[in-house]
Amino acid sequence: EMQLVQTGAEVKKPGESLRISCTASGYIFTAYWIAWVRQMPGKGLEWMGRIDPIDSYTEYSPSFQGHVSISADKSVNTAYLQWTSLKASDTATYFCARVHTSSWREHDYWGQGTLVTVSS
Amino acid sequence: DIQMTQSPSSLSASVGDRVNITCRASQRIGDYLIWYRQKPGKAPQVLIYGASRLQTGVPSRFSGSGSGTEFTLTITNLQPEDYAVYYCQQTDIFPVLTFGPGTRVDIK
Repeated sequence: EMQLVQTGAEVKKPGESLRISCTASGYIFTAYWIAWVRQMPGKGLEWMGRIDPIDSYTEYSPSFQGHVSISADKSVNTAYLQWTSLKASDTATYFCARVHTSSWREHDYWGQGTLVTVSS
Repeated sequence: DIQMTQSPSSLSASVGDRVNITCRASQRIGDYLIWYRQKPGKAPQVLIYGASRLQTGVPSRFSGSGSGTEFTLTITNLQPEDYAVYYCQQTDIFPVLTFGPGTRVDIK
């Protein structure tokens, strides 16, 4: 069964660092991109960026470039989203999604979401 | 960056109704348009890809049309599980595979 399983909820203070993970199973990890999507409380979906796990090539939305880092470890079928200095405005649910690269790039499988709360 | 708009932003409909949601792109994107449904507290689910292609396992009451800059999602015979938020996404132009702002479908 195809699955993306994400880290559980995190509570952090402003200025702290954080890495959340997205572990894939049931398919060939290197055959699809992984994208990360932010959803702030009560708001819509924002596309943050993507990684190709075969060579770790990344692309970022300009809105997120420089504030987050996307990486992947193909030896453990896991993609990561990382912050070095969190802000209160980073409070959101973060989803990872598999991107179907040989089709219309539909995000066809999603993780369950990781709620990140940043508060002093 | 490419901008995506959706109309209406919300609508109220009854079970059994036909619903149309429109998505417009600020640049031509061919048929690189995806429709998702997001139920409360859940991850989005692909309904339509390539503007008009029904995702495997999605009921046939969902259909999509359009190309270029204007697209439509149609739901016929609205069901209780269809009360949700619907998003379009362009997947043609990088670096941002932009989502539309969403359309909320509520019970009338």
